[in-house]
Amino acid sequence: QSVLTQPPSASGTPGQRVTISCSGSSSNIGSNTVNWYQQLPGTAPKLLIYRNNQRPSGVPDRFSGSKSGTSASLAISGLQSEDEADYYCAAWDDSLNGWVFGGGTKLTVL
Amino acid sequence: QVQLVQSGAEVKKPGASVKVSCKASGYTFTSYDINWVRQATGQGLEWMGWMNPNSGNTGYAQKFQGRVTMTRNTSISTAYMELSSLRSEDTAVYYCARELRGYSSLKGYWYFDLWGRGTLVTVSS
Repeated sequence: QSVLTQPPSASGTPGQRVTISCSGSSSNIGSNTVNWYQQLPGTAPKLLIYRNNQRPSGVPDRFSGSKSGTSASLAISGLQSEDEADYYCAAWDDSLNGWVFGGGTKLTVL
Repeated sequence: QVQLVQSGAEVKKPGASVKVSCKASGYTFTSYDINWVRQATGQGLEWMGWMNPNSGNTGYAQKFQGRVTMTRNTSISTAYMELSSLRSEDTAVYYCARELRGYSSLKGYWYFDLWGRGTLVTVSS
């Protein structure tokens, strides 16, 4: 059971907009910033969003993040087939004194 | 280029120990913490702990306390993660990741900006 809660799956058709939620608590998302990682099949995770809504260089602006209270969301607009991957949210937890991850959301592009 | 290169796959028997290495290149090794994250087949990411390569200070997830040891050799810019008393449930891909830190409005933020490609550890009798 992951500390951060994500839906196990999400899907959309090319060009659509999809959102993935991440729910936490006051000790993690409520107190610290949220990061999102994309993991393409058979590869290592890659930083997608950091500090709630910041995109690293090279990440398309189709990807955006937001945070409100103890929840966060990742939005992907203009969905493309290459976006098919697993997406993980993560935050530092002040009570556990460590990083916590969501269980991951498998995004399928129909 | 900036990268983390991990050691190769390992096969261990239950009860044994495994030591995975993570060699940094393209940046100053001692300037950023290294974290270890593992992923069992078909499962999510699980954080194991962090190490400050400069001081050698470490912090481990409670689940792994007493079984994991993170060390480094600064002369070769390499971090190590050793896991002991292996059991079948430890079969997973182990990743090292560099942690970046920043500050905004007196509030810090942290994230993993660079990951190794992973090391598969298989525990089987």
